[in-house]
Amino acid sequence: KNEVEQSPQNLTAQEGEFITINCSYSVGISALHWLQQHPGGGIVSLFMLSSGKKKHGRLIATINIQEKHSSLHITASHPRDSAVYICAVRSNAGGTSYGKLTFGQGTILTVHP
Amino acid sequence: DAGVIQSPRHEVTEMGQEVTLRCKPISGHDYLFWYRQTMMRGLELLIYFNNNVPIDDSGMPEDRFSAKMPNASFSTLKIQPSEPRDSAVYFCASSLDRGSKTQYFGPGTRLLVL
Repeated sequence: KNEVEQSPQNLTAQEGEFITINCSYSVGISALHWLQQHPGGGIVSLFMLSSGKKKHGRLIATINIQEKHSSLHITASHPRDSAVYICAVRSNAGGTSYGKLTFGQGTILTVHP
Repeated sequence: DAGVIQSPRHEVTEMGQEVTLRCKPISGHDYLFWYRQTMMRGLELLIYFNNNVPIDDSGMPEDRFSAKMPNASFSTLKIQPSEPRDSAVYFCASSLDRGSKTQYFGPGTRLLVL
Protein backbone atom coordinates (compact mmCIF):
# COMPACT_ATOMS: atom_id res chain seq x y z
CA LYS A 1 0.00 0.00 0.00
CA ASN A 2 1.35 3.41 -0.95
CA GLU A 3 2.01 5.85 1.86
CA VAL A 4 -0.01 8.49 0.01
CA GLU A 5 -3.19 7.58 -1.83
CA GLN A 6 -5.19 9.95 -3.99
CA SER A 7 -8.70 9.59 -5.34
CA PRO A 8 -10.04 9.68 -7.89
CA GLN A 9 -7.22 8.96 -10.32
CA ASN A 10 -9.15 10.60 -13.15
CA LEU A 11 -11.86 13.22 -12.91
CA THR A 12 -13.89 14.81 -15.68
CA ALA A 13 -16.17 17.74 -14.98
CA GLN A 14 -18.23 20.35 -16.77
CA GLU A 15 -17.31 23.97 -16.42
CA GLY A 16 -18.83 25.43 -13.27
CA GLU A 17 -18.94 22.22 -11.29
CA PHE A 18 -17.61 21.89 -7.76
CA ILE A 19 -14.67 19.50 -7.64
CA THR A 20 -13.15 17.54 -4.78
CA ILE A 21 -9.89 15.59 -4.85
CA ASN A 22 -8.97 13.47 -1.86
CA CYS A 23 -5.66 12.47 -0.33
CA SER A 24 -5.11 9.91 2.43
CA TYR A 25 -1.77 9.12 4.01
CA SER A 26 -0.49 6.55 6.44
CA VAL A 27 2.62 8.14 7.93
CA GLY A 28 3.23 10.87 10.46
CA ILE A 29 3.61 14.18 8.74
CA SER A 30 4.69 17.70 9.50
CA ALA A 31 3.00 19.22 6.46
CA LEU A 32 1.00 18.36 3.37
CA HIS A 33 1.38 19.97 -0.02
CA TRP A 34 -0.99 20.23 -2.94
CA LEU A 35 0.81 20.67 -6.26
CA GLN A 36 -0.53 21.42 -9.73
CA GLN A 37 1.15 20.16 -12.86
CA HIS A 38 -0.01 21.53 -16.18
CA PRO A 39 0.21 19.65 -19.49
CA GLY A 40 3.45 21.48 -20.26
CA GLY A 41 4.99 19.75 -17.25
CA GLY A 42 5.65 22.66 -14.91
CA ILE A 43 4.88 22.08 -11.24
CA VAL A 44 3.39 24.79 -9.07
CA SER A 45 2.86 24.60 -5.35
CA LEU A 46 -0.76 25.47 -4.52
CA PHE A 47 -0.90 24.98 -0.77
CA MET A 48 1.15 23.84 2.13
CA LEU A 49 -0.85 23.09 5.26
CA SER A 50 -0.41 21.34 8.57
CA SER A 51 -3.86 21.96 10.06
CA GLY A 52 -7.26 23.41 9.30
CA LYS A 53 -8.06 25.01 6.01
CA LYS A 54 -6.52 27.38 3.46
CA LYS A 55 -8.21 29.26 0.64
CA HIS A 56 -6.79 30.90 -2.44
CA GLY A 57 -9.25 32.19 -4.98
CA ARG A 58 -11.46 29.30 -6.10
CA LEU A 59 -9.21 26.72 -4.44
CA ILE A 60 -9.72 25.44 -0.91
CA ALA A 61 -7.55 22.88 0.87
CA THR A 62 -8.46 21.18 4.12
CA ILE A 63 -6.64 18.70 6.31
CA ASN A 64 -7.73 16.45 9.16
CA ILE A 65 -4.63 15.33 11.00
CA GLN A 66 -6.48 12.79 13.17
CA GLU A 67 -8.02 11.09 10.15
CA LYS A 68 -4.84 11.52 8.02
CA HIS A 69 -6.87 12.95 5.20
CA SER A 70 -6.83 16.08 3.07
CA SER A 71 -9.11 17.41 0.36
CA LEU A 72 -8.60 19.91 -2.41
CA HIS A 73 -11.74 21.66 -3.58
CA ILE A 74 -12.22 23.76 -6.70
CA THR A 75 -15.33 25.91 -6.85
CA ALA A 76 -16.81 27.04 -10.18
CA SER A 77 -14.33 24.93 -12.14
CA HIS A 78 -12.96 26.22 -15.42
CA PRO A 79 -11.22 24.51 -18.37
CA ARG A 80 -7.97 26.21 -17.34
CA ASP A 81 -8.11 24.18 -14.12
CA SER A 82 -7.40 21.07 -16.22
CA ALA A 83 -4.16 19.67 -14.87
CA VAL A 84 -2.73 16.93 -12.70
CA TYR A 85 -3.13 17.60 -8.99
CA ILE A 86 -0.58 15.95 -6.74
CA CYS A 87 -0.70 15.50 -2.99
CA ALA A 88 2.64 15.27 -1.19
CA VAL A 89 3.36 14.76 2.50
CA ARG A 90 6.40 15.83 4.44
CA SER A 91 7.55 13.20 6.89
CA ASN A 92 8.03 14.04 10.56
CA ALA A 93 10.28 11.03 11.09
CA GLY A 94 13.61 11.77 12.61
CA GLY A 95 17.07 11.88 11.13
CA THR A 96 17.55 12.30 7.42
CA SER A 97 13.94 11.28 6.68
CA TYR A 98 12.65 14.53 8.16
CA GLY A 99 11.68 16.85 5.38
CA LYS A 100 11.39 14.26 2.63
CA LEU A 101 8.36 14.60 0.41
CA THR A 102 6.37 11.49 -0.51
CA PHE A 103 4.02 11.92 -3.43
CA GLY A 104 0.64 10.54 -4.38
CA GLN A 105 0.16 9.29 -7.92
CA GLY A 106 -1.81 12.36 -8.90
CA THR A 107 -5.35 13.07 -10.06
CA ILE A 108 -5.88 13.97 -13.69
CA LEU A 109 -8.58 16.63 -13.89
CA THR A 110 -10.25 17.57 -17.16
CA VAL A 111 -12.80 20.36 -17.16
CA HIS A 112 -14.90 20.66 -20.32
CA PRO A 113 -16.44 23.95 -21.42
CA ASP B 1 13.85 36.32 -8.63
CA ALA B 2 14.01 34.10 -11.71
CA GLY B 3 12.97 31.02 -9.79
CA VAL B 4 14.70 27.66 -9.99
CA ILE B 5 16.56 27.30 -13.27
CA GLN B 6 17.25 23.97 -14.89
CA SER B 7 19.17 23.09 -18.01
CA PRO B 8 18.86 21.65 -20.48
CA ARG B 9 15.07 21.61 -20.81
CA HIS B 10 15.22 18.63 -23.12
CA GLU B 11 17.92 16.02 -23.65
CA VAL B 12 17.95 13.14 -26.07
CA THR B 13 20.89 10.78 -25.89
CA GLU B 14 21.90 7.28 -26.74
CA MET B 15 22.24 4.49 -24.27
CA GLY B 16 25.66 4.43 -22.66
CA GLN B 17 26.29 8.15 -22.91
CA GLU B 18 26.90 10.39 -19.94
CA VAL B 19 24.12 12.83 -19.11
CA THR B 20 24.54 15.89 -16.90
CA LEU B 21 21.56 17.85 -15.65
CA ARG B 22 22.05 21.25 -14.07
CA CYS B 23 20.15 23.27 -11.51
CA LYS B 24 20.41 26.76 -10.09
CA PRO B 25 18.31 27.16 -6.94
CA ILE B 26 16.63 30.33 -5.81
CA SER B 27 19.18 32.63 -4.21
CA GLY B 28 19.20 32.29 -0.44
CA HIS B 29 17.57 28.87 -0.37
CA ASP B 30 19.71 26.41 1.51
CA TYR B 31 17.86 23.20 0.62
CA LEU B 32 17.99 21.67 -2.84
CA PHE B 33 16.09 18.60 -3.99
CA TRP B 34 16.35 16.41 -7.08
CA TYR B 35 13.21 14.52 -8.16
CA ARG B 36 12.40 12.13 -10.99
CA GLN B 37 8.94 11.75 -12.51
CA THR B 38 7.82 8.82 -14.62
CA MET B 39 4.42 7.55 -15.67
CA MET B 40 4.91 4.32 -13.78
CA ARG B 41 6.26 5.65 -10.49
CA GLY B 42 5.12 9.27 -10.36
CA LEU B 43 7.34 11.75 -8.55
CA GLU B 44 10.23 10.36 -6.50
CA LEU B 45 12.83 12.11 -4.41
CA LEU B 46 16.33 11.16 -5.52
CA ILE B 47 18.56 13.21 -3.21
CA TYR B 48 18.55 16.42 -1.24
CA PHE B 49 21.23 18.83 -0.05
CA ASN B 50 21.45 21.24 2.84
CA ASN B 51 24.07 23.97 2.62
CA ASN B 52 25.68 22.11 -0.29
CA VAL B 53 26.03 18.88 1.70
CA PRO B 54 24.14 15.74 0.57
CA ILE B 55 21.81 14.74 3.40
CA ASP B 56 19.81 11.83 2.04
CA ASP B 57 20.60 10.02 -1.19
CA SER B 58 18.55 6.91 -0.46
CA GLY B 59 16.37 7.62 -3.47
CA MET B 60 19.24 7.49 -5.95
CA PRO B 61 18.49 4.43 -8.10
CA GLU B 62 21.98 3.01 -8.40
CA ASP B 63 25.63 3.85 -8.71
CA ARG B 64 25.17 5.18 -12.22
CA PHE B 65 23.54 8.24 -10.64
CA SER B 66 25.55 10.87 -8.82
CA ALA B 67 24.79 14.39 -7.65
CA LYS B 68 27.00 17.24 -6.55
CA MET B 69 26.53 20.71 -5.21
CA PRO B 70 29.88 22.51 -5.42
CA ASN B 71 28.40 25.81 -4.23
CA ALA B 72 25.17 27.37 -3.05
CA SER B 73 24.06 28.36 -6.53
CA PHE B 74 24.69 25.24 -8.58
CA SER B 75 23.98 21.53 -8.53
CA THR B 76 24.40 18.72 -11.03
CA LEU B 77 22.80 15.33 -11.44
CA LYS B 78 24.87 12.98 -13.55
CA ILE B 79 23.94 9.65 -15.09
CA GLN B 80 26.81 7.55 -16.38
CA PRO B 81 26.21 5.38 -18.31
CA SER B 82 22.63 6.23 -19.20
CA GLU B 83 20.03 3.55 -19.94
CA PRO B 84 16.60 3.74 -21.62
CA ARG B 85 14.87 3.19 -18.26
CA ASP B 86 16.36 6.48 -17.07
CA SER B 87 14.03 8.32 -19.45
CA ALA B 88 11.95 10.62 -17.28
CA VAL B 89 11.44 14.23 -16.31
CA TYR B 90 13.94 15.35 -13.70
CA PHE B 91 12.91 18.21 -11.45
CA CYS B 92 15.04 20.31 -9.18
CA ALA B 93 13.45 22.19 -6.28
CA SER B 94 14.73 24.50 -3.57
CA SER B 95 13.41 25.76 -0.26
CA LEU B 96 14.41 27.85 2.71
CA ASP B 97 13.78 25.12 5.23
CA ARG B 98 13.45 21.37 5.06
CA GLY B 99 10.50 21.08 7.35
CA SER B 100 8.09 23.91 7.07
CA LYS B 101 8.61 25.91 3.94
CA THR B 102 7.29 25.60 0.41
CA GLN B 103 9.47 23.95 -2.17
CA TYR B 104 9.82 25.80 -5.45
CA PHE B 105 10.16 23.59 -8.48
CA GLY B 106 12.17 24.22 -11.61
CA PRO B 107 10.65 23.60 -15.06
CA GLY B 108 12.22 20.16 -15.28
CA THR B 109 14.52 18.44 -17.75
CA ARG B 110 12.83 15.95 -20.04
CA LEU B 111 15.35 13.16 -20.67
CA LEU B 112 14.99 10.54 -23.37
CA VAL B 113 17.59 7.78 -23.59
CA LEU B 114 17.38 5.81 -26.81
